Amino acid sequence: DVKVTQSSRYLVKRTGEKVFLECVQDMDHENMFWYRQDPGLGLRLIYFSYDVKMKEKGDIPEGYSVSREKKERFSLILESASTNQTSMYLCASSSLAGGGYEQYFGPGTRLTVT
Amino acid sequence: DQQVKQNSPSLSVQEGRISILNCDYTNSMFDYFLWYKKYPAEGPTFLISISSIKDKNEDGRFTVFLNKSAKHLSLHIVPSQPGDSAVYFCAASEAHAGNMLTFGGGTRLMVKP
Repeated sequence: DVKVTQSSRYLVKRTGEKVFLECVQDMDHENMFWYRQDPGLGLRLIYFSYDVKMKEKGDIPEGYSVSREKKERFSLILESASTNQTSMYLCASSSLAGGGYEQYFGPGTRLTVT
Repeated sequence: DQQVKQNSPSLSVQEGRISILNCDYTNSMFDYFLWYKKYPAEGPTFLISISSIKDKNEDGRFTVFLNKSAKHLSLHIVPSQPGDSAVYFCAASEAHAGNMLTFGGGTRLMVKP
């Protein structure tokens, strides 16, 4: 079974703090993704990576950066957290094999910025 | 502008009856569609998918229908069970788009015993 793990389930940070969210997958998937989920808006793509050290902006990259130094690990960084970044953050991975459309998700990190 | 829309934020169905969840899209380049199910405090899990070359795909109690001319897909759950209560997201992808998915806003399904 594919396993995607995220470093924290719940996180509370103050405005202006630097925040790191870590994601690890154990299936040797090429692609990794970071989304945020907000009520009524579904899942919106922040960034994705198709290889080590490669990254592409998604629909809402402003205020975020990412890092992928190893194939299994994809980090999301909030350089200076703001209250409008309070959200559920979901990491996913997928393989190029067989079309690669299906993404496997981690359990999510609920981040609250006060 | 949302390219994938789920116009019903919630749906309530009696146990044993059919649940029909709907999804509309605007991008004619989408060629693969997926449904995900999400329980509270868990990540979404893949449920069923359909390629644009088909108009129906069935997996047990779950059937997805695709109407390309109307740019509409639906998920049918028969019979509905209380354990099906969750948020359902439809998602779409286009070929050569780097395996990116575009998600709808979700529909919360409540199946009453």
